[in-house]
This record gives sequence, structure tokens and C-alpha cells, in this order.
Amino acid sequence: ELKVEQNPLFLSMQEGKNYTIYCNYSTTSDRLYWYRQDPGKSLESLFVLLSNGAVKQEGRLMASLDTKARLSTLHITAAVHDLSATYFCAVDGSRYNAGNMLTFGGGTRLMVKP
Amino acid sequence: GAGVSQSPSNKVTEKGKDVELRCDPISGHTALYWYRQSLGQGLEFLIYFQGNSAPDKSGLPSDRFSAERTGGSVSTLTIQRTQQEDSAVYLCASSLVTSGNTIYFGEGSWLTVV
Repeated sequence: ELKVEQNPLFLSMQEGKNYTIYCNYSTTSDRLYWYRQDPGKSLESLFVLLSNGAVKQEGRLMASLDTKARLSTLHITAAVHDLSATYFCAVDGSRYNAGNMLTFGGGTRLMVKP
Repeated sequence: GAGVSQSPSNKVTEKGKDVELRCDPISGHTALYWYRQSLGQGLEFLIYFQGNSAPDKSGLPSDRFSAERTGGSVSTLTIQRTQQEDSAVYLCASSLVTSGNTIYFGEGSWLTVV
């Protein structure tokens, strides 16, 4: 059974600081997703990582994937208040070539303070 | 449509009643998924459709839960004889068939069983 663990579960940081969220998973997969969720809202896709060594960046967020270590990271650079949200990683553990069946981590609630 | 559309957005029902939740995926997306998000269980996969067929029903928590998809588009998730533990946000998502594509989530149906 695929298990996905994120840490930390809660992160309070000051504006301008850097930090990294970690996502570990238990079985082989080379398809990993990062989502953002604001309170009361749905999931917004941030990144799709599809190969070992993949790195993607959007604004102050950068995600990477190490399939050998079964680890993905979401790095936050010079945090701003607007980044406050809950971040989820999800791993595609599909038994099928087509389609994506995601197993989600528990989420990291990020709070950026002025 | 432009995004994944779900209805109702909110539903309060009495224990023991049946409920139907509807999902209209993004036009052209042949893969459709139902997930459930609750405080105690996080985000859980329920069922996946490829076209009108559901190759994976492994996530449905009990036989009170069923889902169908007609015409390769709209899907309905039905919960019979609702219980309080069914209270959660039910999220629908869709994607293109090829694995590794972005999965887009709807705003969810908030179900409260009283």
C-alpha cells in the first residue's frame, strides 16, 4: 500500500524567510503532484513532476523530485503572506498506464507572518 | 465547461437519507475521479472512471457508496442511508487520459449528515 508522508504538518514562518516542505513516499513512482488549498476552497495544481531529477519553479516556489530516494521537496524562497495556505503532495500509484490515481500526503499548513 | 463543476455545493441531510452528488468534468477529459476530504482522514481516493467504466472502485468505503458516469461526461456519486461519518467534502476531479497530466479539481460538495 502506497503511503505518503509530509513534514512538517504545520509551518509558521516570517516573511522573507526560506523554508522547505518534504514529501516522502513508500513505493516506486515517478509521478508526483503538488497542490495548494486555501481555506474553504478546492485544490489548485502547482506542479507535476514526472521524472527523476525533475525541477520546476513558479515564482517563489520550487519543487523537485528524487525518485530513488522517494522524496520530493517544495522550497519556498523569501516567503510572502500570500503564500499562506495548505500544501499537499500527491503520488500517482496507478496500476494502469492511463489515468492518475493519487495518494495524498497529510498536508502542510503554512502560515507566513509579516 | 471551463472547470470541473460540482453540485450541490452544500448539502445537509438527515441520517439515513440518500444523497446524490453531481460532477461535470472539463470538456474533453475522459478520466474522472472522486475523492473525499475530511478532518480525520485527510484526502482519500474513492473511485476512478475512464470513459463510462470504472476500473478501480477500491476506494469506496462501503456498499452504501456507488457512482456512475454516463455519456463519458457527467458523474453521480450516490450515498445511501447516510451516516454521520459520511460528513466530508466530496471532491471531483478530471484529467486527460494520459498518465502524468494535470488533474483539475472542482470546488467540492460539502456534505453534513445530522
